[in-house]
Amino acid sequence: AQRVTQPEKLLSVFKGAPVELKCNYSYSGSPELFWYVQYSRQRLQLLLRHISRESIKGFTADLNKGETSFHLKKPFAQEEDSAMYYCASTNTDKLIFGTGTRLQVFP
Amino acid sequence: NAGVMQNPRHLVRRRGQEARLRCSPMKGHSHVYWYRQLPEEGLKFMVYLQKENIIDESGMPKERFSAEFPKEGPSILRIQQVVRGDSAAYFCASSPFTGGAGYEQYFGPGTRLTVT
Repeated sequence: AQRVTQPEKLLSVFKGAPVELKCNYSYSGSPELFWYVQYSRQRLQLLLRHISRESIKGFTADLNKGETSFHLKKPFAQEEDSAMYYCASTNTDKLIFGTGTRLQVFP
Repeated sequence: NAGVMQNPRHLVRRRGQEARLRCSPMKGHSHVYWYRQLPEEGLKFMVYLQKENIIDESGMPKERFSAEFPKEGPSILRIQQVVRGDSAAYFCASSPFTGGAGYEQYFGPGTRLTVT
C-alpha cells in the first residue's frame, strides 16, 4: 500500500537557520509528490509539487527515487514559515498524506 | 472566487444522531474529494466524487457513511448513528480536472465534528 512517512512531529529552529523537513514514501511506481502547508487559522494549501521543480517562498524539494524521499528544504528560515507541513503523494486521484510536521521558527 | 466552502465549521452531535457535512467546490470545479483527519494523524482519503457519480470510495467505512454530489447543490457527507470515534476534522477538496498528474486540489477550511 502507498504510504508517506514524516518522522518528525515537531521541528524547532531559530530564524535564519536552515530547515529540512523529512518525507519518505513507499510506492513501487512513479507517484506524484507534493508539499502542503497549513498556516495558523488558514486552510491547507499547496506549497509545491515535484513535477514543477519550482521554488516557493524559498522552499525547494528534490525527489530522490533511490532513497524514496522528498525532503523539503529552506536555507534560511523565517518566522512566517511557522506552520504545519504535510507531505503527500498520489498515483491516481486521491492524495496520501503523511502525519505532518509542525515547524516552529523562533526569533 | 470564494474558494471551497464547507459548513458547518463546527458540529456537535450526540451518539446515535446523524451528521451532515456540506461542501461547495470552487466555481468551475466538478471533482470533489473528502478527507478525514483524526487527532494526531494525517488526512486520510475517504471518497472521490464527480457530479452525480462516486468515482472512488475506497476510504469510506463500510457502514454508516455515505456521500453524494448531486447535479445541483453541494456535496454532502452523511454519517448516520454517529459514535465517539467519528469525532474528527473532515476536509473537502475540489479540482477542475482529474486529480493526480499534478493537478492541484483546493481545500476547504474543514468541519470539526464532535460526538458527545
